[in-house]
Amino acid sequence: EVQLVESGGDLVKPGGSLRLSCAASGFPFSSYHMNWVRQAPGKGLEWVSSISNSRNYINYADSVKGRFTISRDDAKNSLYLQMNSLRAEDTAIYYCARVPGTRAFDLWGRGTLVTVSS
Amino acid sequence: QSALTQPRSVSGSPGQSVSVSCTETSSDVGGYSYVSWYQHHPGKAPKLMIYDVSKRPSGVPDRFSGSKSGNTASLTISGLQAEDEADYYCCSYAGSVVFGGGTKLTVL
Repeated sequence: EVQLVESGGDLVKPGGSLRLSCAASGFPFSSYHMNWVRQAPGKGLEWVSSISNSRNYINYADSVKGRFTISRDDAKNSLYLQMNSLRAEDTAIYYCARVPGTRAFDLWGRGTLVTVSS
Repeated sequence: QSALTQPRSVSGSPGQSVSVSCTETSSDVGGYSYVSWYQHHPGKAPKLMIYDVSKRPSGVPDRFSGSKSGNTASLTISGLQAEDEADYYCCSYAGSVVFGGGTKLTVL
Protein backbone atom coordinates (compact mmCIF):
# COMPACT_ATOMS: atom_id res chain seq x y z
CA GLU A 1 0.00 0.00 0.00
CA VAL A 2 1.22 3.47 -0.89
CA GLN A 3 1.39 5.41 2.38
CA LEU A 4 3.25 7.77 4.68
CA VAL A 5 3.21 7.21 8.44
CA GLU A 6 4.50 9.86 10.82
CA SER A 7 5.73 9.18 14.35
CA GLY A 8 7.66 10.82 17.15
CA GLY A 9 5.18 13.43 18.29
CA ASP A 10 5.09 14.06 22.04
CA LEU A 11 4.64 16.59 24.83
CA VAL A 12 7.84 18.59 25.27
CA LYS A 13 8.80 21.63 27.35
CA PRO A 14 9.67 24.98 25.75
CA GLY A 15 13.30 24.96 24.69
CA GLY A 16 13.29 21.21 24.29
CA SER A 17 13.99 19.03 21.25
CA LEU A 18 12.11 16.36 19.34
CA ARG A 19 12.76 14.25 16.26
CA LEU A 20 9.89 13.33 13.98
CA SER A 21 10.01 10.45 11.52
CA CYS A 22 7.98 9.63 8.43
CA ALA A 23 8.05 6.08 7.09
CA ALA A 24 7.22 5.69 3.39
CA SER A 25 6.05 2.51 1.73
CA GLY A 26 4.63 1.32 -1.58
CA PHE A 27 6.55 3.70 -3.85
CA PRO A 28 10.17 4.56 -4.80
CA PHE A 29 10.86 6.97 -1.95
CA SER A 30 14.24 8.09 -3.29
CA SER A 31 12.61 9.50 -6.43
CA TYR A 32 10.40 12.01 -4.63
CA HIS A 33 10.84 15.42 -3.07
CA MET A 34 9.48 15.39 0.47
CA ASN A 35 8.04 18.02 2.77
CA TRP A 36 6.79 18.69 6.27
CA VAL A 37 3.57 20.66 6.73
CA ARG A 38 1.95 21.51 10.07
CA GLN A 39 -1.40 22.57 11.42
CA ALA A 40 -1.65 24.38 14.73
CA PRO A 41 -4.84 23.91 16.78
CA GLY A 42 -7.71 25.77 15.15
CA LYS A 43 -5.44 27.08 12.39
CA GLY A 44 -4.76 26.31 8.75
CA LEU A 45 -1.98 24.41 7.05
CA GLU A 46 1.53 25.86 7.19
CA TRP A 47 4.44 24.61 5.11
CA VAL A 48 7.50 23.89 7.28
CA SER A 49 10.32 22.44 5.20
CA SER A 50 11.23 20.62 2.00
CA ILE A 51 14.06 18.39 0.79
CA SER A 52 14.66 17.40 -2.82
CA ASN A 53 15.11 13.82 -3.92
CA SER A 54 18.83 14.48 -4.40
CA ARG A 55 19.14 16.39 -1.12
CA ASN A 56 20.56 19.27 -3.20
CA TYR A 57 17.72 21.59 -2.31
CA ILE A 58 16.56 22.14 1.26
CA ASN A 59 14.25 24.97 2.31
CA TYR A 60 12.64 26.11 5.55
CA ALA A 61 9.85 28.46 6.52
CA ASP A 62 11.16 31.59 8.21
CA SER A 63 9.33 30.56 11.39
CA VAL A 64 11.53 27.48 11.86
CA LYS A 65 14.78 28.45 10.10
CA GLY A 66 17.79 27.84 12.33
CA ARG A 67 15.83 25.62 14.72
CA PHE A 68 14.55 22.74 12.56
CA THR A 69 16.54 20.40 10.31
CA ILE A 70 15.03 18.19 7.62
CA SER A 71 16.81 15.05 6.46
CA ARG A 72 16.11 11.77 4.71
CA ASP A 73 17.48 8.23 4.63
CA ASP A 74 16.57 6.68 1.30
CA ALA A 75 17.91 3.28 2.38
CA LYS A 76 15.31 3.28 5.17
CA ASN A 77 12.58 4.99 3.11
CA SER A 78 12.34 7.59 5.84
CA LEU A 79 12.05 11.35 6.24
CA TYR A 80 13.00 13.16 9.44
CA LEU A 81 12.51 16.52 11.11
CA GLN A 82 14.84 17.44 13.98
CA MET A 83 13.20 20.18 16.01
CA ASN A 84 15.28 22.17 18.51
CA SER A 85 14.55 25.19 20.70
CA LEU A 86 10.86 24.38 20.57
CA ARG A 87 8.33 27.11 21.31
CA ALA A 88 4.67 27.04 22.29
CA GLU A 89 3.79 28.24 18.80
CA ASP A 90 5.33 25.05 17.35
CA THR A 91 2.44 23.09 18.86
CA ALA A 92 0.75 21.43 15.89
CA ILE A 93 -0.01 18.26 14.00
CA TYR A 94 2.96 17.63 11.71
CA TYR A 95 2.33 15.97 8.36
CA CYS A 96 4.81 14.63 5.89
CA ALA A 97 3.86 15.02 2.25
CA ARG A 98 5.20 13.80 -1.05
CA VAL A 99 5.85 15.93 -4.14
CA PRO A 100 6.11 14.23 -7.54
CA GLY A 101 7.15 16.08 -10.70
CA THR A 102 4.26 18.51 -10.32
CA ARG A 103 4.38 21.26 -7.72
CA ALA A 104 1.73 19.82 -5.45
CA PHE A 105 1.54 17.48 -2.48
CA ASP A 106 0.00 14.31 -3.87
CA LEU A 107 0.31 12.03 -0.82
CA TRP A 108 0.04 12.90 2.86
CA GLY A 109 0.34 11.03 6.12
CA ARG A 110 -2.20 11.30 8.93
CA GLY A 111 0.16 13.37 11.04
CA THR A 112 1.78 13.26 14.47
CA LEU A 113 0.95 15.67 17.31
CA VAL A 114 3.63 17.83 18.87
CA THR A 115 2.68 19.74 22.00
CA VAL A 116 5.07 22.30 23.47
CA SER A 117 4.03 23.24 26.96
CA SER A 118 5.47 23.56 30.43
CA GLN B 1 6.05 37.49 0.44
CA SER B 2 2.92 35.98 -1.07
CA ALA B 3 -0.33 35.63 0.85
CA LEU B 4 -3.41 33.67 -0.19
CA THR B 5 -6.83 34.82 1.00
CA GLN B 6 -9.80 32.45 1.18
CA PRO B 7 -13.31 32.97 2.57
CA ARG B 8 -13.62 31.43 6.00
CA SER B 9 -16.76 29.50 5.09
CA VAL B 10 -19.09 28.62 2.25
CA SER B 11 -22.21 26.48 2.19
CA GLY B 12 -24.59 24.82 -0.22
CA SER B 13 -27.36 22.26 -0.39
CA PRO B 14 -26.94 18.77 -1.82
CA GLY B 15 -26.89 18.87 -5.61
CA GLN B 16 -25.95 22.54 -5.79
CA SER B 17 -22.63 24.04 -6.94
CA VAL B 18 -20.31 26.07 -4.75
CA SER B 19 -17.06 27.88 -5.46
CA VAL B 20 -14.17 28.65 -3.14
CA SER B 21 -11.95 31.57 -4.08
CA CYS B 22 -8.24 32.04 -3.38
CA THR B 23 -6.77 35.48 -4.03
CA GLU B 24 -3.04 36.10 -4.12
CA THR B 25 -1.69 39.34 -2.75
CA SER B 26 1.88 39.62 -3.97
CA SER B 27 3.98 41.44 -6.52
CA ASP B 28 5.12 38.09 -7.89
CA VAL B 29 2.10 37.40 -10.07
CA GLY B 30 4.10 35.14 -12.35
CA GLY B 31 4.63 32.65 -9.56
CA TYR B 32 0.95 31.96 -9.12
CA SER B 33 0.75 29.31 -11.79
CA TYR B 34 1.27 26.32 -9.53
CA VAL B 35 -1.99 26.44 -7.62
CA SER B 36 -3.28 23.31 -5.94
CA TRP B 37 -6.31 22.55 -3.77
CA TYR B 38 -6.61 20.17 -0.82
CA GLN B 39 -9.59 18.64 0.94
CA HIS B 40 -9.12 18.01 4.64
CA HIS B 41 -11.46 16.10 6.88
CA PRO B 42 -10.32 16.65 10.50
CA GLY B 43 -8.36 13.71 11.82
CA LYS B 44 -7.54 12.44 8.35
CA ALA B 45 -4.76 13.02 5.87
CA PRO B 46 -5.30 16.00 3.53
CA LYS B 47 -6.14 14.98 -0.04
CA LEU B 48 -4.98 16.61 -3.28
CA MET B 49 -8.02 17.59 -5.36
CA ILE B 50 -6.60 19.93 -8.02
CA TYR B 51 -3.05 20.77 -9.15
CA ASP B 52 -1.54 23.18 -11.68
CA VAL B 53 -4.68 25.36 -11.36
CA SER B 54 -7.08 23.02 -13.14
CA LYS B 55 -5.71 19.47 -13.39
CA ARG B 56 -7.45 16.69 -11.53
CA PRO B 57 -5.49 13.72 -10.09
CA SER B 58 -6.64 10.24 -10.93
CA GLY B 59 -9.52 9.19 -8.70
CA VAL B 60 -10.85 12.67 -7.97
CA PRO B 61 -14.44 13.02 -9.19
CA ASP B 62 -15.00 15.36 -12.13
CA ARG B 63 -17.43 17.27 -9.91
CA PHE B 64 -14.31 19.08 -8.70
CA SER B 65 -12.78 21.65 -11.04
CA GLY B 66 -10.27 24.47 -10.79
CA SER B 67 -9.72 27.73 -12.63
CA LYS B 68 -7.85 31.02 -12.34
CA SER B 69 -8.53 34.56 -13.46
CA GLY B 70 -5.87 37.15 -12.78
CA ASN B 71 -4.75 36.78 -9.17
CA THR B 72 -7.76 34.72 -8.08
CA ALA B 73 -7.97 30.95 -8.31
CA SER B 74 -11.21 29.10 -7.70
CA LEU B 75 -12.27 25.60 -6.77
CA THR B 76 -15.77 24.68 -7.92
CA ILE B 77 -17.67 21.70 -6.61
CA SER B 78 -20.76 20.76 -8.56
CA GLY B 79 -23.46 18.30 -7.51
CA LEU B 80 -22.64 18.79 -3.82
CA GLN B 81 -22.67 15.66 -1.69
CA ALA B 82 -22.68 15.25 2.07
CA GLU B 83 -19.16 13.80 2.04
CA ASP B 84 -17.84 17.00 0.44
CA GLU B 85 -18.23 18.74 3.80
CA ALA B 86 -14.64 19.47 4.81
CA ASP B 87 -11.99 22.17 4.99
CA TYR B 88 -10.46 23.22 1.67
CA TYR B 89 -7.05 24.84 1.27
CA CYS B 90 -5.46 26.46 -1.74
CA CYS B 91 -1.69 26.42 -2.12
CA SER B 92 0.84 28.26 -4.24
CA TYR B 93 4.05 26.31 -4.87
CA ALA B 94 6.55 28.61 -6.59
CA GLY B 95 9.88 29.21 -4.90
CA SER B 96 8.28 29.29 -1.50
CA VAL B 97 5.17 27.34 -0.53
CA VAL B 98 2.16 29.23 0.78
CA PHE B 99 -1.21 27.89 1.89
CA GLY B 100 -4.41 29.87 2.09
CA GLY B 101 -6.14 30.16 5.44
CA GLY B 102 -8.69 27.48 4.58
CA THR B 103 -12.41 27.46 3.85
CA LYS B 104 -14.93 25.38 5.74
CA LEU B 105 -17.53 23.94 3.38
CA THR B 106 -20.85 23.09 4.99
CA VAL B 107 -23.37 20.95 3.12
CA LEU B 108 -26.76 22.05 4.39
